[in-house]
Parts: sequence; C-alpha cells; structure tokens
Amino acid sequence: QQQVKQSPQSLIVQKGGISIINCAYENTAFDYFPWYQQFPGKGPALLIAIRPDVSEKKEGRFTISFNKSAKQFSLHIMDSQPGDSATYFCAASIETGGFKTIFGAGTRLFVKA
Amino acid sequence: DSGVTQTPKHLITATGQRVTLRCSPRSGDLSVYWYQQSLDQGLQFLIHYYNGEERAKGNILERFSAQQFPDLHSELNLSSLELGDSALYFCASTSRANTGELFFGEGSRLTVL
Repeated sequence: QQQVKQSPQSLIVQKGGISIINCAYENTAFDYFPWYQQFPGKGPALLIAIRPDVSEKKEGRFTISFNKSAKQFSLHIMDSQPGDSATYFCAASIETGGFKTIFGAGTRLFVKA
Repeated sequence: DSGVTQTPKHLITATGQRVTLRCSPRSGDLSVYWYQQSLDQGLQFLIHYYNGEERAKGNILERFSAQQFPDLHSELNLSSLELGDSALYFCASTSRANTGELFFGEGSRLTVL
C-alpha cells in the first residue's frame, strides 16, 4: 500500500517533443504528490508538485495531471529540450509528524537534439 | 545549491568496515531525512529525525544507525559493511513551514570493495 509505481524506466524523446511519465499509488491517505528532477552527480530537486484537490497544475513547460479516482498522476514535459535530460522521480507524501515521502523507481529521460 | 551539506562526497572502503556519513541541514530546518539510492532501486527511505528525536524509520538495516545532534547536524553510521551497501546516501531537510518539499544534499557515494 505504500508503493508508488512509476513508468517507463527510461524514455527517449526528440527535441521539441512531449515527454510523459506516469505514476500510480495505492494509499488514499497520500495528500501531496511531488515530482523531483535529478541530474547526474546531484541530489534530487523539487520540480513541481500537486495536492489532490486539483486535477492539473502547470508551471512553464511542466504539467502534472492528477486523477484521484484512478489513483494515478503523470508528468508532461512540453517542447522537451536536451537540458531536460535527467532522472525524474514521482513521489507521494503524507504528513505524519513530518512528511513521509515514498518515491517511485525513477525514469531516465534522454532528449535527443 | 540546496543548502544541505553532505560529507564525504565519495568513500571507498572494505567489507566488514564501519563508516560515518555526515549531513548538515539547511539553516533553520529541524528535520533530517536519510535516503539510500541504489542502482535501479530509486530512493529508499531510511530514517527521519526532527530536532534531535527519531520520528520515523523506514527500511533501515540493524547494522545502520543514525542520530541528530543539538546543532541539528546528523550522522548516519553504517557498520559491518557488505558489498550490497554500495550506494548513494542522501540526506534531505524540510522547512519549518512544512510545505512537504524535501531539500536534498548532493549525496555521499559509498563503494564497498
């Protein structure tokens, strides 16, 4: 019940294309769904996050789509750029005296120039 | 720069040895989280400390222990090391505002030979 399943494991997209990464969760108590971006040799950094009371959140070229009934959420990267090449982690979090954050396995994105 | 500092960046040691990884959270942050990142296994939550007290434990082995000191820095102690302990170890802190965002350090890469 604590798992977050992420797919695909890896993704190759042409420059200018749309990158889509999907995640699914089981625990309906999760109330915060962040996406983290990690470049080689660096720690993950928050990219965008959503709470379950909205179905979509957009920040620049990055959009989270959230389907509460299906317990799924996805990250869309529009007009993908080579600089977007990184590993992306979805996560689900619940505040229980501190945030318990469960991460997906990660997606390695490569954007071809 | 997230403001979270981890040392050492790289560590090579032998099986059976003991190492200590150190983390200084962002100024003002009271929470420290430790995560292990192995190849293809995403980020596994190990342990959470808040203002010196242990708040939650994840998949942390009995050979591993952690503490958070009065100055809020934290140490993760790994003993009787095995080849499978080779991984990146990240610490993260969260702000007092408790937005849920994790601020990660750049990690300590442990190699056990």
